[in-house]
Amino acid sequence: AQKITQTQPGMFVQEKEAVTLDCTYDTSDQSYGLFWYKQPSSGEMIFLIYQGSYDEQNATEGRYSLNFQKARKSANLVISASQLGDSAMYFCAMREGRVTGGGNKLTFGTGTQLKVEL
Amino acid sequence: GAVVSQHPSWVICKSGTSVKIECRSLDFQATTMFWYRQFPKQSLMLMATSNEGSKATYEQGVEKDKFLINHASLTLSTLTVTSAHPEDSSFYICSASRGLTKNIQYFGAGTRLSVL
Repeated sequence: AQKITQTQPGMFVQEKEAVTLDCTYDTSDQSYGLFWYKQPSSGEMIFLIYQGSYDEQNATEGRYSLNFQKARKSANLVISASQLGDSAMYFCAMREGRVTGGGNKLTFGTGTQLKVEL
Repeated sequence: GAVVSQHPSWVICKSGTSVKIECRSLDFQATTMFWYRQFPKQSLMLMATSNEGSKATYEQGVEKDKFLINHASLTLSTLTVTSAHPEDSSFYICSASRGLTKNIQYFGAGTRLSVL
């Protein structure tokens, strides 16, 4: 089974509208972390937001928020007030297990290509 | 600003030559760095975990003799693609974790390798 599933290969949204990018995950670990990254056409991976499995509140970072539904194992990214510069590929990723000192491997989903239109 | 620097951003080489890619953590020490490979319009595939002062840990199916990783200092890891062939053409990107609480991985800008 896929550990990270992003079912939307592509999404369109109008400028200034909100958009939700879906992500479901599969793990048997109690401790894990969920990440969203943005990859513009330049290729760089830009960290957007993080949600820990024990975090009770949904994470928010500016226009980005993470709709964390633990029982459903979903971690959807919500982008409010979309801007043209938000057009990019978005990846959901998961760290399984507790945080280690050096760093933990991440498993990435297949990504969602978001296009913001005027 | 970028906390992880990757160089070069783009390289073209002849088949049979070796190419070295550098990944540096700019303002923090990284005992562990990660190397990924990404094919066009696909996700990132972890190739190996680079550990400072010890051997890298390679993912299943990744040839360690083809992709040599050296992590000689706490701020530098290098990936050398040895005897490159056209099928090695890809986008290679590194990352390093900063801090313990969330262990967020910060990525370099990536290297586009084209082997002719």
